[in-house]
Amino acid sequence: SQQGEEDPQALSIQEGENATMNCSYKTSINNLQWYRQNSGRGLVHLILIRSNEREKHSGRLRVTLDTSKKSSSLLITASRAADTASYFCAPTTTGANSKLTFGKGITLSVRP
Amino acid sequence: GAVVSQHPSWVICKSGTSVKIECRSLDFQATTMFWYRQFPKQSLMLMATSNEGSKATYEQGVEKDKFLINHASLTLSTLTVTSAHPEDSSFYICSARHPGTGGAEAFFGQGTRLTVV
Repeated sequence: SQQGEEDPQALSIQEGENATMNCSYKTSINNLQWYRQNSGRGLVHLILIRSNEREKHSGRLRVTLDTSKKSSSLLITASRAADTASYFCAPTTTGANSKLTFGKGITLSVRP
Repeated sequence: GAVVSQHPSWVICKSGTSVKIECRSLDFQATTMFWYRQFPKQSLMLMATSNEGSKATYEQGVEKDKFLINHASLTLSTLTVTSAHPEDSSFYICSARHPGTGGAEAFFGQGTRLTVV
């Protein structure tokens, strides 16, 4: 398994602005996932992008994947105070037994 | 969507006692579940992989005799913190990868806040 490296470590924006978070990884993957963790809670799956996809949308979320650069970005548009949370990327290989490990994550604060 | 339920959500125990945490996949079968611990303002650290019907696989540095894992059925894994000490106080989270997505997507329990006094 490998863990992604998220950047920046912390991000503070005003409500309504867009938030861009980046993730880099080191070895080949089958897909890459983004998770959100609210304080004191478990992780919530946000979106999965497969290695043969370049961009994916889900509501206010937009994820890109560049396998040549081994990087991904998560864009949250029109941010809300409720988006305040920690965000983690998880570059993964397919398989229910494959371990999922996490980097330090990004702490996003959205000011009302 | 798929749900993983963890119980209890918080527990306070006395030093030297043991605590059991349950992790259930409610609407899918999970041959493999994962246990993590998380210290305040830090990332999740994978502790072990729980395998149904066989021994768990522990990550380096994790004491298997202290953190007993049992995966007795396809929907239940338990983590028992034995002879707990204050340094075991942490946030423990379980997860399972849903086979319906090719095993890609992981679902997490709500977490268990353990405080050892």
